[in-house]
Amino acid sequence: NAGVTQTPKFRVLKTGQSMTLLCAQDMNHEYMYWYRQDPGMGLRLIHYSVGEGTTAKGEVPDGYNVSRLKKQNFLLGLESAAPSQTSVYFCASSSDRTNEKLFFGSGTQLSVL
Amino acid sequence: EDKVVQSPLSLVVHEGDTVTLNCSYEVTNFRSLLWYKQEKKAPTFLFMLTSSGIEKKSGRLSSILDKKELFSILNITATQTGDSAVYLCAVEAPNTGNQFYFGTGTSLTVIP
Repeated sequence: NAGVTQTPKFRVLKTGQSMTLLCAQDMNHEYMYWYRQDPGMGLRLIHYSVGEGTTAKGEVPDGYNVSRLKKQNFLLGLESAAPSQTSVYFCASSSDRTNEKLFFGSGTQLSVL
Repeated sequence: EDKVVQSPLSLVVHEGDTVTLNCSYEVTNFRSLLWYKQEKKAPTFLFMLTSSGIEKKSGRLSSILDKKELFSILNITATQTGDSAVYLCAVEAPNTGNQFYFGTGTSLTVIP
């Protein structure tokens, strides 16, 4: 029962480097999300997807891109990392049925120096 | 603008105390309110509330929703050190797809 799996768990980048965070879910969920969590800011939605091949911007999308080529995977890309992107990133998924909860991955701690 | 506000931001209590955490919201297309517990990693689900006045209960934790006054409370009785965590409130308010809006959380510390 894997649920939502995020890789990597930790990463340190230098300013300007790029990277991709991978999220995989095995619950056949339609909806997937990327959040970032910063002290005192709660969880803020970066991008989300309502199905394979579709993505949409959330509250804080600047500096990030996403892709949902397969239903089970949702990728978050940073093309040119900035120190302001130092954060903990959580992937989550939910079904498209009414009143379904969010299932979270274990998080990725990203530091941009 | 949709928003979810939690109070207090932090709380320190002694074991055995009872605590009440608050969550108020202003969203369009309200569907449900969820409570999560976060202990240094992924949030874990506690409750989902969709109807006013119906208490959800799990052991020492309970929660209730007031859709008229737009708030929810989470009660924890006989607190234990294992209850120390950040408690997150989220409101599901779909526009296109399911969208969940989170509060900043309440940090609870239970002292032995």
